[in-house]
Amino acid sequence: GAVVSQHPSWVICKSGTSVKIECRSLDFQATTMFWYRQFPKQSLMLMATSNEGSKATYEQGVEKDKFLINHASLTLSTLTVTSAHPEDSSFYICSARRGGSDTEAFFGQGTRLTVV
Amino acid sequence: GQNIDQPTEMTATEGAIVQINCTYQTSGFNGLFWYQQHAGEAPTFLSYNVLDGLEEKGRFSSFLSRSKGYSYLLLKELQMKDSASYLCAFMDSNYQLIWGAGTKLIIKP
Repeated sequence: GAVVSQHPSWVICKSGTSVKIECRSLDFQATTMFWYRQFPKQSLMLMATSNEGSKATYEQGVEKDKFLINHASLTLSTLTVTSAHPEDSSFYICSARRGGSDTEAFFGQGTRLTVV
Repeated sequence: GQNIDQPTEMTATEGAIVQINCTYQTSGFNGLFWYQQHAGEAPTFLSYNVLDGLEEKGRFSSFLSRSKGYSYLLLKELQMKDSASYLCAFMDSNYQLIWGAGTKLIIKP
């Protein structure tokens, strides 16, 4: 099966600093990658969709200047949480699709971000 | 508009069978997914249905009726490790996943 690796698994940072989360497709080329955040006991909330080589499409209410997404290659997308605040503490999950009519999305392990 | 609904929580007994229902409304449909998610972990893929009918995979089966906007996940021979949240999601015409809130399944001995 296809493997998506997300790093780091957990991170603690100070308020005001920036954190970068990486999402890599290890054995396939991911045309499209998705970034989600999930608060405790809630479902996944799509933050943005990124296609390789183009700007990410952000969902309504998600600040694109705060959550910087880069999808520079077919195997790597990054999410940078800039000037993090305690309310940004959450579980961030990426998923990747090969693209076209290939519908299955493969998930990374998730990143638990705690901002103190 | 689009929406998707599933029960918040269900309880079942070890060794028994449980059915988790999911209803949805959408104008564009490219299939329905079921994922399992243990607390603190990312979702793991269970099943994908794009045509009507029942798909069986070991202890887990998934059913879809497109005309009714209805799916269910059937878990047989329940084990304690099956305690988790089960998320249904449909893929819309833009190939974007629309997620349900998840059903927390509690297994009792």
